[in-house]
Amino acid sequence: GNSVTQMEGPVTLSEEAFLTINCTYTATGYPSLFWYVQYPGEGLQLLLKATKADDKGSNKGFEATYRKETTSFHLEKGSVQVSDSAVYFCALSLGWFGNEKLTFGTGTRLTIIP
Amino acid sequence: GAGVSQTPSNKVTEKGKYVELRCDPISGHTALYWYRQSLGQGPEFLIYFQGTGAADDSGLPNDRFFAVRPEGSVSTLKIQRTERGDSAVYLCASRSKGAGGSGGYNEQFFGPGTRLTVL
Repeated sequence: GNSVTQMEGPVTLSEEAFLTINCTYTATGYPSLFWYVQYPGEGLQLLLKATKADDKGSNKGFEATYRKETTSFHLEKGSVQVSDSAVYFCALSLGWFGNEKLTFGTGTRLTIIP
Repeated sequence: GAGVSQTPSNKVTEKGKYVELRCDPISGHTALYWYRQSLGQGPEFLIYFQGTGAADDSGLPNDRFFAVRPEGSVSTLKIQRTERGDSAVYLCASRSKGAGGSGGYNEQFFGPGTRLTVL
């Protein structure tokens, strides 16, 4: 079956630190990969996506590269801010145009300290 | 414009009771998804509608769970004979039809969820 494994949390960093949240996947087909973010008191939002190997998704200073050879999609940010405190979910979908269901990881809670 | 809305935001019920959870998708979105998020877990897929019909209901855990979307807009998730293990946040998402613009992907937009507590 399809599954996503992501770095256990919680993760606590100081402002301006470098962030990496690891994500690996198992899929029966050729998935699209996503990072979703859930800010306190808000709904899930798409942060970034990549639909084919070697694609790099980026948004709000976050980046993730689709690595087919290592089945990974690690999230990185060079300098985190307090406002980045949230829960981050890695996810995959087997539909090219987003038709199919999303399979999520368990989430990583990130807290940034001033 | 308005996003996906879900009502109620919170629902507390007793074991064995029947509950209905409502989802209002973004206007014009033809695809609608239900997910369930248990404490400390990621969302798990329940069912996907394309228009009025369920295109994939493989995530429904058992026959106590049922969902409808009679007019291709609002959807209702129905849970019969609730059990304590049904306690979770139920999320709804909607998506516009067909291929999107850049990257060919149409994003699923999520609602705020309904927190269901079964006592």
